[in-house]
Amino acid sequence: KAGVTQTPRYLIKTRGQQVTLSCSPISGHRSVSWYQQTPGQGLQFLFEYFSETQRNKGNFPGRFSGRQFSNSRSEMNVSTLELGDSALYLCASSWRDRGYNEQFFGPGTRLTVL
Amino acid sequence: AQSVTQLGSHVSVSEGALVLLRCNYSSSVPPYLFWYVQYPNQGLQLLLKYTTGATLVKGINGFEAEFKKSETSFHLTKPSAHMSDAAEYFCAVSASNSGGSNYKLTFGKGTLLTVNP
Repeated sequence: KAGVTQTPRYLIKTRGQQVTLSCSPISGHRSVSWYQQTPGQGLQFLFEYFSETQRNKGNFPGRFSGRQFSNSRSEMNVSTLELGDSALYLCASSWRDRGYNEQFFGPGTRLTVL
Repeated sequence: AQSVTQLGSHVSVSEGALVLLRCNYSSSVPPYLFWYVQYPNQGLQLLLKYTTGATLVKGINGFEAEFKKSETSFHLTKPSAHMSDAAEYFCAVSASNSGGSNYKLTFGKGTLLTVNP
């Protein structure tokens, strides 16, 4: 069974640009969550999508947005990039309907903002 | 709201020695608790989880953790460290009522484990 896949794995952008990251969940998983990982702040929850609807949102500015498609694949978009957005962005998928939140993580997308 | 504190950002052990990584949590409702491991340039891999039932939980690669409600702790242990255990370890908590805004993982800051030959 294929795991969570994220594309691209590495990305270099400049300040002010925008970027879109993609996540394909494990087959059968309908929930996709996004996390930002930085050395200073650690792992921080961005948002979660389930059945094409955003269900939860972390404490990030509106420049961070996402969406989920009918096949459960998800994209995350960051507009007007800032240097501080440089991070590893992790996607995680889960069933969501099994009573507990066991999440399976992808390898991440390493975003560097210059 | 939930929070996690991992005591010690860096733990160093000798190969063959006991590994003990500490995790304390705060939760207003019964928690679900997880330990994840992250190797360099990789995502997070689930080591073990506590949801309900037995408080001593066994995971992959010989790791185990014990849920102690009275101490609000979920420490990770392994009797004998291997070189391959060198990685960063994250403790995470989620609320047991998994609907709505509680459906997210809150992570500790992580503990980097170094194994010396």
